[in-house]
Amino acid sequence: TQLLEQSPQFLSIQEGENLTVYCNSSSVFSSLQWYRQEPGEGPVLLVTVVTGGEVKKLKRLTFQFGDARKDSSLHITAAQPGDTGLYLCADFRMLNAGGTSYGKLTFGQGTILTVHP
Amino acid sequence: NAGVTQTPKFRILKIGQSMTLQCTQDMNHNYMYWYRQDPGMGLKLIYYSVGAGITDKGEVPNGYNVSRSTTEDFPLRLELAAPSQTSVYFCASRLGLAGGSQQYFGPGTRLTVT
Repeated sequence: TQLLEQSPQFLSIQEGENLTVYCNSSSVFSSLQWYRQEPGEGPVLLVTVVTGGEVKKLKRLTFQFGDARKDSSLHITAAQPGDTGLYLCADFRMLNAGGTSYGKLTFGQGTILTVHP
Repeated sequence: NAGVTQTPKFRILKIGQSMTLQCTQDMNHNYMYWYRQDPGMGLKLIYYSVGAGITDKGEVPNGYNVSRSTTEDFPLRLELAAPSQTSVYFCASRLGLAGGSQQYFGPGTRLTVT
C-alpha cells in the first residue's frame, strides 16, 4: 500500500513570507497531483506533474518533482491570506479490477496553511 | 454547469439510523467516486463507479452501499450508522483516466453520528 507523507502538518505564517511544503511517497509516483482545499469545500486541482525533475509554476506557486519521482515540494512566494487552506498531494494511477479500468487517487494527509494579514 | 452537487451539507444521525447522501454531476462524466475525510487524514476511497450500472469497492467500503442507475447520480447509503462513520464525505467525478485529466469534487457532506 502506497503511503504519502506530507510535512509540515501545520504552517502559520505572516502575509508576504515564503514557504515550502513537502510530499514524500513510499513508492514511485505514477502521476503526482497537488490540490488546495478551502474550508467547507472540496479539493481543487492545482497541478499535475509526471516527469522526474519537472518544475511547474502557477503564478506565485512553484511545484517541483524529485528526480526519482518519490518526492515533491510546493513553494509559495510572498504568501497572501487567500492562500490559506489545506494543501494535499495525491498520486493518480490507473488500476484494473475484474477487467474494468478505473483511476484511483491516493492522498497524503495534507498541510494546513494559515496566512495572517 | 453546476459541476458536482451534494446534499445535504450537514447531518446529525443517531447510532443505528440510516441515510442516503446524494451526489449529482451534470458534466456527463462516466467515473464517479465517494471519499471520506477524517481530521488529520487524507481522503480515503469508499466506492467508485465506472459508468451506469457498474460500481465497486474502494479502500474503506464497510458500512456503506452505492448504486448508479444513471450517469448523473451516485448516491451513498449508510445503513446502521456508527460513530466511526462521523466524517466529511466527498463525491467526485472525472471524464477520463488520462493522468492529467481533472477530478472534480463536490462541496462535501459533514456527518456526525452520536
